[in-house]
Amino acid sequence: GAVVSQHPSWVICKSGTSVKIECRSLDFQATTMFWYRQFPKQSLMLMATSNEGSKATYEQGVEKDKFLINHASLTLSTLTVTSAHPEDSSFYICSARDPSGHTGELFFGEGSRLTVL
Amino acid sequence: TQLLEQSPQFLSIQEGENLTVYCNSSSVFSSLQWYRQEPGEGPVLLVTVVTGGEVKKLKRLTFQFGDARKDSSLHITAAQPGDTGLYLCAGERKTSYDKVIFGPGTSLSVIP
Repeated sequence: GAVVSQHPSWVICKSGTSVKIECRSLDFQATTMFWYRQFPKQSLMLMATSNEGSKATYEQGVEKDKFLINHASLTLSTLTVTSAHPEDSSFYICSARDPSGHTGELFFGEGSRLTVL
Repeated sequence: TQLLEQSPQFLSIQEGENLTVYCNSSSVFSSLQWYRQEPGEGPVLLVTVVTGGEVKKLKRLTFQFGDARKDSSLHITAAQPGDTGLYLCAGERKTSYDKVIFGPGTSLSVIP
């Protein structure tokens, strides 16, 4: 099946620094990728929809200047957490849909755990 | 406002017992998926239901989509410790972005 990979799988940073998380579709091209955030023992909250070649669409309440999304190619979307603070510590997960897939299944990355000290 | 509700939120049962998890919404979805997630990993798709009234079986798991396509259930027969995890239902609404929205999840613990 289609594979979506995230990097890094975990990162620890100091408060005030910026952190970039990559999401790659390894064997298919994805015009759209989704970024989710998940707190411990909670569900996935959709943050934004990343669109190749255009601006991302952010969900209500998500600061676009705080969470910068770049979808520069059909296989790569990046999420940059700018000026990170401890409250940004979370599990960030990306997903993408294989447009050629029969079922339209959404494939998820392994997730990236961010800890801000 | 939570578009999808799940119940129960937490469930702890003995190995061999049966259980049902419910996913409800006031909205109609074009399709609904069930995922299982283990700690520190991304969700893994179990099933997608599309047609109202549809029933799908996956070994000991039975999934049902409501006639009105607003709710779904997941029934596990003879639960095993390997079934432990977070079960998430997710609904897809055909907007211009085909967003998938997740329910709050049901954390299942199967005790040997």
